[in-house]
Amino acid sequence: DTGVSQDPRHKITKRGQNVTFRCDPISEHNRLYWYRQTLGQGPEFLTYFQNEAQLEKSRLLSDRFSAERPKGSFSTLEIQRTEQGDSAMYLCASSSGLVNEQFFGPGTRLTVL
Amino acid sequence: AQSVAQPEDQVNVAEGNPLTVKCTYSVSGNPYLFWYVQYPNRGLQFLLKYITGDNLVKGSYGFEAEFNKSQTSFHLKKPSALVSDSALYFCAVRDGRGNNDMRFGAGTRLTVKP
Repeated sequence: DTGVSQDPRHKITKRGQNVTFRCDPISEHNRLYWYRQTLGQGPEFLTYFQNEAQLEKSRLLSDRFSAERPKGSFSTLEIQRTEQGDSAMYLCASSSGLVNEQFFGPGTRLTVL
Repeated sequence: AQSVAQPEDQVNVAEGNPLTVKCTYSVSGNPYLFWYVQYPNRGLQFLLKYITGDNLVKGSYGFEAEFNKSQTSFHLKKPSALVSDSALYFCAVRDGRGNNDMRFGAGTRLTVKP
């Protein structure tokens, strides 16, 4: 399968712990996006990379959140000192251009107890 | 900032009947419009997009959508619904001026009954 993959698929953690998620985009895609989706809502944009450069960040991305794409391939999203409000599905997507559609991974479901 | 409204939380249709899932948008520049579908325990799948050109765009699985600039709408349609079309549908918009922030609607749950 050459689609977008995310790991882990599910993560349960206790409040205050740090968590890290990984996204592997489609190999030829230079654009990578992170979204957060809560129940009953559409995905909300968090951040965007073009190659290894993080070019846009949403106001939703508090200072507890950090994302990297060190070699312009896979990306990681880290949440420090998790809070119950961080519980959501975290989606990664990639595309090959601004006007092109984004291909989404299956998501990582985070539950903060 | 751009925004999308999907006025119906739920749409119910009988198999074989036409379906419409509504979407209206607000954007400063020219809109790039997208429809995605989400099946249970699956990621979002791309259906179709409007960037420029013909107002009627055709996509996957027999779906189509019509861009209406005057009404700022991009409704999703299918002439004959299948039970397997039952899923959650999301409309999304991006500002054509280059903003990478794509805004999604809250989603419409389509249920097709046999």
